[in-house]
Amino acid sequence: EAQVTQNPRYLITVTGKKLTVTCSQNMNHEYMSWYRQDPGLGLRQIYYSMNVEVTDKGDVPEGYKVSRKEKRNFPLILESPSPNQTSLYFCASKLSRNTEAFFGQGTRLTVV
Amino acid sequence: EDQVTQSPEALRLQEGESSSLNCSYTVSGLRGLFWYRQDPGKGPEFLFTLYSAGEEKEKERLKATLTKKESFLHITAPKPEDSATYLCAASTGTASKLTFGTGTRLQVTL
Repeated sequence: EAQVTQNPRYLITVTGKKLTVTCSQNMNHEYMSWYRQDPGLGLRQIYYSMNVEVTDKGDVPEGYKVSRKEKRNFPLILESPSPNQTSLYFCASKLSRNTEAFFGQGTRLTVV
Repeated sequence: EDQVTQSPEALRLQEGESSSLNCSYTVSGLRGLFWYRQDPGKGPEFLFTLYSAGEEKEKERLKATLTKKESFLHITAPKPEDSATYLCAASTGTASKLTFGTGTRLQVTL
């Protein structure tokens, strides 16, 4: 089944403790992105990648890192999480520039 | 700055009562306008892509249309299972970044 898989689905952590949210897609898609979704603000792009080793900032990149060493994987790294990064995170992938994006199931992160 | 605005914020319909959701956009270089459906606790699910003004797409009870400034999602004779949040997104730029609206929360009652 074609899908985007994120792990973990739920995570509670403490301020400053480094964490990684994994994202994997099995559709051989070129493009991958990370979004955060907050009430009243909608989905906002954090980082995106157009291909292996090619990444760029989205609208809200501060406090986040990404890497794209393999085509299928695009992990999101929070080096020193803070409470304002408490949010619902989605990974997405798409085949090419103008095609539709497929989203993962989401990761609900709480930073205390 | 690219902007996408959806209205209304929330909509309550009775089963069979048709209506339209609005998505207005102010972006530079629209590459495509996307509609998604999102159920609580789940990721957005793709519905339609519209690429040029005048284009229309249809799927079951849903029909999406596009003008140069806005897009509409028409829901004909909705059923309770159509209850969800509907998101629209404008695709722009070299990487076709998606700028999302904040969504319309639709509730369809019996």
